[in-house]
Amino acid sequence: SQQGEEDPQALSIQEGENATMNCSYKTSINNLQWYRQNSGRGLVHLILIRSNEREKHSGRLRVTLDTSKKSSSLLITASRAADTASYFCATAEVADMRFGAGTRLTVKP
Amino acid sequence: EAGVAQSPRYKIIEKRQSVAFWCNPISGHATLYWYQQILGQGPKLLIQFQNNGVVDDSQLPKDRFSAERLKGVDSTLKIQPAKLEDSAVYLCASSLGRQETQYFGPGTRLLVL
Repeated sequence: SQQGEEDPQALSIQEGENATMNCSYKTSINNLQWYRQNSGRGLVHLILIRSNEREKHSGRLRVTLDTSKKSSSLLITASRAADTASYFCATAEVADMRFGAGTRLTVKP
Repeated sequence: EAGVAQSPRYKIIEKRQSVAFWCNPISGHATLYWYQQILGQGPKLLIQFQNNGVVDDSQLPKDRFSAERLKGVDSTLKIQPAKLEDSAVYLCASSLGRQETQYFGPGTRLLVL
């Protein structure tokens, strides 16, 4: 069964704009991870945030985690055409990892 | 450092035939995962190994799917017999430990006709 649910399912923006994606989950987690998948390729890890952390940055990426609301957000600032991809959140439950259905981001040049 | 290797990259078979996929994880990674990703969906965990032991295979259709990880390194995933709905990308990933960052291979794209 899938744990995380991303919102929106699809997002289209212009180059230079910021993109925000959200992930909601249902049970307690140890950590939450974001991955990117370019069309036809494997997933690439972006960032991991642990349950005792509230915010994390990596380059143009900013991730927040609100365990009381069971939600996380991924912000990509100053987006580029190369950011066009599907983005997935994965939640580390008590035992294992579960992926959501993803957000399809399109950045128009 | 070499990444996760998978083969073959593509496979076309007819329904009721058998197929096997191979995965070589990153050296030293104790945890190995097999995922099924149907077009437009997120990866679905099929089976997770910790060294050569199975941690989670709750979503593996055991009547037709099997997997093994001999000696705690390479792994194979087999489908026998294949059904049309098995058409998907099969992803292998590895990590140092459970719930840690996963490193994915390029996947095997399976088409069942």
